[in-house]
Amino acid sequence: AQSVTQLDSQVPVFEEAPVELRCNYSSSVSVYLFWYVQYPNQGLQLLLKYLSGSTLVKGINGFEAEFNKSQTSFHLRKPSVHISDTAEYFCAVRNSGNTPLVFGKGTRLSVIA
Amino acid sequence: GAVVSQHPSRVICKSGTSVKIECRSLDFQATTMFWYRQFPKQSLMLMATSNEGSKATYEQGVEKDKFLINHASLTLSTLTVTSAHPEDSSFYICSASGRTLAKNIQYFGAGTRLSVL
Repeated sequence: AQSVTQLDSQVPVFEEAPVELRCNYSSSVSVYLFWYVQYPNQGLQLLLKYLSGSTLVKGINGFEAEFNKSQTSFHLRKPSVHISDTAEYFCAVRNSGNTPLVFGKGTRLSVIA
Repeated sequence: GAVVSQHPSRVICKSGTSVKIECRSLDFQATTMFWYRQFPKQSLMLMATSNEGSKATYEQGVEKDKFLINHASLTLSTLTVTSAHPEDSSFYICSASGRTLAKNIQYFGAGTRLSVL
């Protein structure tokens, strides 16, 4: 079974500052890793994914994440945040095949002007 | 990217009534659809997985007679909350994946906010 831990439930950060949202996972098999963003009362939008290959993946809106197998982490980063980045961010994992995603509890990113 | 349409976006109903939520894949054939439930300020919890041509597989603790899932076609899945009660009030989100899509990617609907009075 897989599990995902998002260590921070809330992360406040000033506008134009860098941010890192942490995600650790556990799994007995190879996994695929995802970050989704959810704006209020909306569904989930895929930010980026790691399936294979380069461990540094770039996504939309200037976000990137690095897969670290030894530390079982997939932290999300952005060098300079905007007010519009205020949202809930979910890290998720799934194994191969058409299995459902397993989500972390989410991190609320609040960007302060 | 692929588009998943979910309707209605918001529904308010009286206790004891049934509510149907539709999830449609607009530009691809959804061989698998997933239904999630999200409580305020919490993560998404998988309710059930629906594969084309098969009965839905429900997660432990989810009442299949209360949450009826129908994968009527390769582009439509419905979730019916039967005899809804206030504790069923929640945000319900569907997602879909398909053979012709990028592998291992699920696309999400915009969600349905259900409020049971």
